[in-house]
Amino acid sequence: AQSVTQLDSQVPVFEEAPVELRCNYSSSVSVYLFWYVQYPNQGLQLLLKYLSGSTLVESINGFEAEFNKSQTSFHLRKPSVHISDTAEYFCAVSDRAQGAQKLVFGQGTRLTINP
Amino acid sequence: DTEVTQTPKHLVMGMTNKKSLKCEQHMGHRAMYWYKQKAKKPPELMFVYSYEKLSINESVPSRFSPECPNSSLLNLHLHALQPEDSALYLCASSQDGAEWVGETQYFGPGTRLLVL
Repeated sequence: AQSVTQLDSQVPVFEEAPVELRCNYSSSVSVYLFWYVQYPNQGLQLLLKYLSGSTLVESINGFEAEFNKSQTSFHLRKPSVHISDTAEYFCAVSDRAQGAQKLVFGQGTRLTINP
Repeated sequence: DTEVTQTPKHLVMGMTNKKSLKCEQHMGHRAMYWYKQKAKKPPELMFVYSYEKLSINESVPSRFSPECPNSSLLNLHLHALQPEDSALYLCASSQDGAEWVGETQYFGPGTRLLVL
Protein backbone atom coordinates (compact mmCIF):
# COMPACT_ATOMS: atom_id res chain seq x y z
CA ALA A 1 0.00 0.00 0.00
CA GLN A 2 1.10 3.53 -0.75
CA SER A 3 1.89 5.97 2.05
CA VAL A 4 3.23 9.47 2.60
CA THR A 5 5.13 10.98 5.51
CA GLN A 6 5.03 14.64 6.40
CA LEU A 7 8.12 15.33 8.42
CA ASP A 8 6.99 18.48 10.23
CA SER A 9 3.79 18.71 12.26
CA GLN A 10 4.12 22.49 12.66
CA VAL A 11 6.00 25.15 10.71
CA PRO A 12 5.99 28.74 12.01
CA VAL A 13 7.32 31.42 9.66
CA PHE A 14 7.25 35.18 9.41
CA GLU A 15 5.16 36.93 6.79
CA GLU A 16 6.94 37.38 3.44
CA ALA A 17 9.50 34.69 4.34
CA PRO A 18 9.94 31.56 2.18
CA VAL A 19 8.58 28.23 3.37
CA GLU A 20 9.04 24.56 2.54
CA LEU A 21 6.69 21.83 3.75
CA ARG A 22 8.20 18.39 3.42
CA CYS A 23 6.56 15.23 2.13
CA ASN A 24 8.09 11.84 1.35
CA TYR A 25 6.24 9.00 -0.29
CA SER A 26 6.70 5.24 -0.31
CA SER A 27 8.38 4.08 -3.48
CA SER A 28 6.20 2.63 -6.21
CA VAL A 29 6.19 2.06 -9.96
CA SER A 30 3.58 4.74 -10.54
CA VAL A 31 2.69 7.42 -8.06
CA TYR A 32 0.19 10.24 -8.10
CA LEU A 33 0.74 12.90 -5.47
CA PHE A 34 -1.39 15.74 -4.15
CA TRP A 35 -1.18 18.68 -1.81
CA TYR A 36 -4.43 19.74 -0.18
CA VAL A 37 -4.98 22.76 2.08
CA GLN A 38 -7.52 23.02 4.88
CA TYR A 39 -8.32 26.48 6.20
CA PRO A 40 -9.81 26.70 9.71
CA ASN A 41 -13.32 25.25 9.92
CA GLN A 42 -13.41 24.32 6.25
CA GLY A 43 -13.10 21.28 4.01
CA LEU A 44 -10.03 20.42 1.96
CA GLN A 45 -9.09 22.20 -1.26
CA LEU A 46 -6.67 20.91 -3.86
CA LEU A 47 -3.53 23.04 -4.13
CA LEU A 48 -1.69 21.08 -6.80
CA LYS A 49 -1.01 17.57 -7.99
CA TYR A 50 1.60 15.54 -9.82
CA LEU A 51 0.49 12.84 -12.26
CA SER A 52 3.28 12.71 -14.84
CA GLY A 53 5.36 14.96 -17.08
CA SER A 54 7.07 18.04 -15.68
CA THR A 55 8.37 17.39 -12.19
CA LEU A 56 7.64 20.97 -11.12
CA VAL A 57 3.96 21.73 -10.59
CA GLU A 58 2.52 25.08 -9.63
CA SER A 59 -0.68 26.34 -8.06
CA ILE A 60 -2.49 29.58 -8.85
CA ASN A 61 -1.65 31.14 -5.46
CA GLY A 62 2.14 30.96 -5.68
CA PHE A 63 2.84 27.50 -4.25
CA GLU A 64 4.90 24.97 -6.16
CA ALA A 65 6.02 21.41 -5.54
CA GLU A 66 8.74 19.33 -7.11
CA PHE A 67 8.46 15.61 -7.68
CA ASN A 68 11.84 14.05 -6.93
CA LYS A 69 11.93 10.36 -7.75
CA SER A 70 15.44 9.69 -6.48
CA GLN A 71 14.61 11.16 -3.07
CA THR A 72 10.96 9.98 -3.10
CA SER A 73 9.90 13.47 -2.13
CA PHE A 74 7.21 15.96 -3.11
CA HIS A 75 8.02 19.05 -1.04
CA LEU A 76 5.77 22.12 -1.18
CA ARG A 77 7.37 25.56 -1.40
CA LYS A 78 6.37 29.20 -1.53
CA PRO A 79 8.92 32.00 -1.92
CA SER A 80 6.96 34.54 0.13
CA VAL A 81 4.06 33.66 2.44
CA HIS A 82 1.10 35.76 3.46
CA ILE A 83 -0.99 35.75 6.62
CA SER A 84 -3.82 34.17 4.60
CA ASP A 85 -1.66 31.07 3.99
CA THR A 86 -2.18 30.05 7.62
CA ALA A 87 -3.76 26.60 7.34
CA GLU A 88 -3.22 22.86 7.63
CA TYR A 89 -1.49 21.32 4.63
CA PHE A 90 -1.88 17.65 3.73
CA CYS A 91 0.23 15.66 1.33
CA ALA A 92 -1.60 12.68 -0.15
CA VAL A 93 -0.99 9.78 -2.51
CA SER A 94 -3.55 8.07 -4.69
CA ASP A 95 -3.86 4.36 -4.06
CA ARG A 96 -6.12 1.74 -5.55
CA ALA A 97 -8.06 -0.91 -3.66
CA GLN A 98 -11.07 -3.09 -4.44
CA GLY A 99 -11.50 -1.52 -7.85
CA ALA A 100 -11.69 2.04 -6.58
CA GLN A 101 -9.36 4.92 -5.87
CA LYS A 102 -8.55 6.14 -2.42
CA LEU A 103 -6.47 9.02 -1.11
CA VAL A 104 -3.97 8.25 1.63
CA PHE A 105 -3.06 11.36 3.60
CA GLY A 106 0.01 12.29 5.57
CA GLN A 107 -0.38 13.52 9.14
CA GLY A 108 -0.54 17.15 8.07
CA THR A 109 1.62 20.23 8.63
CA ARG A 110 0.20 23.24 10.38
CA LEU A 111 1.60 26.38 8.78
CA THR A 112 1.45 29.43 11.02
CA ILE A 113 2.36 32.84 9.63
CA ASN A 114 3.50 35.45 12.12
CA PRO A 115 3.36 39.15 11.25
CA ASP B 1 -19.51 24.42 -10.59
CA THR B 2 -17.01 22.50 -8.47
CA GLU B 3 -19.05 22.55 -5.30
CA VAL B 4 -19.88 19.73 -2.94
CA THR B 5 -22.51 20.69 -0.38
CA GLN B 6 -23.09 19.05 2.98
CA THR B 7 -25.94 19.41 5.45
CA PRO B 8 -26.23 20.04 8.28
CA LYS B 9 -23.13 22.10 9.12
CA HIS B 10 -23.34 21.14 12.78
CA LEU B 11 -25.12 18.28 14.52
CA VAL B 12 -25.47 17.40 18.20
CA MET B 13 -26.99 14.03 18.98
CA GLY B 14 -27.45 11.70 21.90
CA MET B 15 -26.25 8.12 21.89
CA THR B 16 -29.77 6.79 21.30
CA ASN B 17 -30.65 9.13 18.44
CA LYS B 18 -30.89 8.38 14.74
CA LYS B 19 -29.73 11.09 12.37
CA SER B 20 -28.51 11.42 8.80
CA LEU B 21 -25.82 13.46 7.06
CA LYS B 22 -26.39 14.53 3.49
CA CYS B 23 -23.95 15.27 0.68
CA GLU B 24 -24.75 16.53 -2.81
CA GLN B 25 -22.77 17.32 -5.96
CA HIS B 26 -23.84 18.40 -9.43
CA MET B 27 -20.59 17.96 -11.28
CA GLY B 28 -21.60 14.68 -12.91
CA HIS B 29 -19.11 12.79 -10.76
CA ARG B 30 -19.65 9.06 -10.38
CA ALA B 31 -17.50 8.43 -7.32
CA MET B 32 -18.36 9.71 -3.84
CA TYR B 33 -16.56 9.33 -0.54
CA TRP B 34 -17.11 9.69 3.21
CA TYR B 35 -14.20 10.63 5.45
CA LYS B 36 -13.97 11.09 9.20
CA GLN B 37 -11.56 13.70 10.56
CA LYS B 38 -10.69 14.02 14.24
CA ALA B 39 -9.15 17.23 15.54
CA LYS B 40 -5.55 17.79 14.42
CA LYS B 41 -5.58 14.57 12.37
CA PRO B 42 -5.81 13.81 8.64
CA PRO B 43 -9.07 12.63 7.09
CA GLU B 44 -9.63 8.87 7.35
CA LEU B 45 -11.52 7.16 4.57
CA MET B 46 -14.74 5.44 5.62
CA PHE B 47 -16.64 4.53 2.44
CA VAL B 48 -16.30 4.82 -1.34
CA TYR B 49 -19.19 4.60 -3.79
CA SER B 50 -18.46 4.18 -7.47
CA TYR B 51 -21.39 4.30 -9.92
CA GLU B 52 -23.78 4.11 -6.97
CA LYS B 53 -22.29 0.85 -5.73
CA LEU B 54 -20.35 0.52 -2.49
CA SER B 55 -16.74 -0.20 -3.47
CA ILE B 56 -14.85 0.28 -0.24
CA ASN B 57 -15.90 -0.06 3.40
CA GLU B 58 -12.87 0.56 5.60
CA SER B 59 -14.13 -1.72 8.38
CA VAL B 60 -16.46 0.97 9.65
CA PRO B 61 -18.77 -0.01 12.56
CA SER B 62 -22.33 -0.82 11.53
CA ARG B 63 -23.67 2.16 13.49
CA PHE B 64 -22.60 4.11 10.39
CA SER B 65 -24.70 3.18 7.35
CA PRO B 66 -24.00 4.81 3.97
CA GLU B 67 -26.51 5.17 1.18
CA CYS B 68 -26.17 6.42 -2.40
CA PRO B 69 -29.72 6.95 -3.76
CA ASN B 70 -28.43 8.40 -7.05
CA SER B 71 -25.21 9.64 -8.60
CA SER B 72 -25.59 13.14 -7.11
CA LEU B 73 -26.49 12.26 -3.57
CA LEU B 74 -24.73 10.49 -0.71
CA ASN B 75 -26.14 9.96 2.76
CA LEU B 76 -24.62 8.71 5.98
CA HIS B 77 -27.13 7.32 8.46
CA LEU B 78 -26.10 7.41 12.10
CA HIS B 79 -27.52 5.28 14.89
CA ALA B 80 -26.41 4.55 18.44
CA LEU B 81 -23.20 6.51 18.11
CA GLN B 82 -20.57 6.80 20.81
CA PRO B 83 -18.93 9.99 22.11
CA GLU B 84 -15.69 8.95 20.37
CA ASP B 85 -17.54 9.26 17.05
CA SER B 86 -17.56 13.03 17.49
CA ALA B 87 -15.60 14.43 14.55
CA LEU B 88 -15.80 16.38 11.30
CA TYR B 89 -17.40 14.23 8.60
CA LEU B 90 -16.27 15.15 5.12
CA CYS B 91 -17.82 14.16 1.84
CA ALA B 92 -15.90 14.20 -1.44
CA SER B 93 -16.53 13.35 -5.06
CA SER B 94 -14.41 12.59 -8.11
CA GLN B 95 -14.97 12.08 -11.82
CA ASP B 96 -15.00 8.32 -12.05
CA GLY B 97 -13.21 6.51 -9.24
CA ALA B 98 -12.70 3.38 -11.30
CA GLU B 99 -9.71 4.37 -13.44
CA TRP B 100 -6.12 4.60 -12.23
CA VAL B 101 -5.52 8.21 -13.22
CA GLY B 102 -4.97 10.05 -9.96
CA GLU B 103 -8.31 11.81 -9.96
CA THR B 104 -8.82 14.97 -7.98
CA GLN B 105 -11.29 14.63 -5.13
CA TYR B 106 -13.47 17.66 -4.40
CA PHE B 107 -14.39 18.05 -0.76
CA GLY B 108 -17.41 19.56 0.92
CA PRO B 109 -17.12 21.80 4.00
CA GLY B 110 -18.02 18.98 6.35
CA THR B 111 -20.53 18.31 9.10
CA ARG B 112 -19.21 18.80 12.61
CA LEU B 113 -20.79 16.10 14.76
CA LEU B 114 -20.92 16.05 18.54
CA VAL B 115 -22.22 12.92 20.28
CA LEU B 116 -23.27 13.39 23.88
